[in-house]
Formats: sequence, C-alpha cells, structure tokens
Amino acid sequence: NAGVMQNPRHLVRRRGQEARLRCSPMKGHSHVYWYRQLPEEGLKFMVYLQKENIIDESGMPKERFSAEFPKEGPSILRIQQVVRGDSAAYFCASSHPPRSGGLYEQYFGPGTRLTVT
Amino acid sequence: KNQVEQSPQSLIILEGKNCTLQCNYTVSPFSNLRWYKQDTGRGPVSLTIMTFSENTKSNGRYTATLDADTKQSSLHITASQLSDSASYICVVSPDSNYQLIWGAGTKLIIKP
Repeated sequence: NAGVMQNPRHLVRRRGQEARLRCSPMKGHSHVYWYRQLPEEGLKFMVYLQKENIIDESGMPKERFSAEFPKEGPSILRIQQVVRGDSAAYFCASSHPPRSGGLYEQYFGPGTRLTVT
Repeated sequence: KNQVEQSPQSLIILEGKNCTLQCNYTVSPFSNLRWYKQDTGRGPVSLTIMTFSENTKSNGRYTATLDADTKQSSLHITASQLSDSASYICVVSPDSNYQLIWGAGTKLIIKP
C-alpha cells in the first residue's frame, strides 16, 4: 500500500545543469500535481497532469520548466539550466479524478529538495 | 486576489497544553477549507476538510471550526504532544475541482 513516491529526496545541481524530479502516484491514482515550496512560504501550485495530458500549467514558469506524465512510468518535472532561485522543495501529489465542487483528497509525497550551487 | 493568511507565524507551548491556530481567507468563490499538518522534511497530510455548510469538524485531538460569513477558520489542538510539533497549514479551495490556495502555515513547537 505504497503512498506517493518521489525521488530523489535531495538533489544538488550546479547553475546551468538540468534537474529531473520523479513522482510515482499512489496506486490507482491517475492525476498528478506538482507544487513548489520556498523556505518559510506556503506551497505554490505549478502544474496538474493526467496521463499523457497537461490539464493546467498556469503555475509553471514559461521557460526552463516542463512536466510530463507518460502512459507508463512516473511523472517527471524537468528544470533546465537551473539557477539559484530554483532552490526549493518540490512536492508531488496524486488523486483520483477530481469532481467539480466535490471533496477529494490530494495525497502528497515526501518532496524533493533541490539545491542549486 | 485569493489569499489565505495564518496567525501566529510560530508558536511554542508546553506539552499537555491546548492551543488554537487562526486562518483568514479572501478566496472567492469558496468550496471547502482544509487543514494540513506538515512535519519537517515531509509532505503535508490532511487533518480535516470542511465545506461551506459545516462549522466544526474533529479528528482526534484536532478540532477545526469554520465561519464562512467572516471567512475565518481555527484549528484547536487539545492536550498537545511532542509529536504535534509541525507546521499547520490552512488551505482553501475555490469553486473548482482541483485548485488549492495555500497559507504559509503556523510553525508549532511543543516543549517537554
């Protein structure tokens, strides 16, 4: 009965390198959400995906950031040419398909802490 | 602008004491309000979810209240334990099916 899995838990990258963060949703969940959390701040929505489809990427920076959730395998958040300001905790959550106005749970993974040096 | 504000920013209490955390929101429309507990280095875990029509909900030693007229919520923790040390985050959902507006959290420290 595994929960949401994220790896790596910690990632160190030099400025200009690429960072790839992985998220395996809870079993039976087909919807994935990515959030970013800066120190002492709340979580900020980045992107919402279902398999092979981006539903809402309104919270994701237009450049350098991309996300995918392929038919097979984990969801990937990719940050190209990282800068110091990308240092943060990145959380993934998964859920069953949300229904309008309905109450549904998002289950969170443990996060990936990205440090850009 | 949709916002969720929490107070206090941090709180230190002795083990066994009660405490109340506050949340004010300006999210509109409103669907539901959630309280999450986030341990250091971990992802958030849901404590309670309340809709417009609910004004109180309990989960063990945690009791959340909601006043949708004044757009305020509180989380009361009874007989605190060392394991309650965490950040408590108030989250409001507008009338959509997935968007969540997150507060910055209250950092609670329980001392023996």
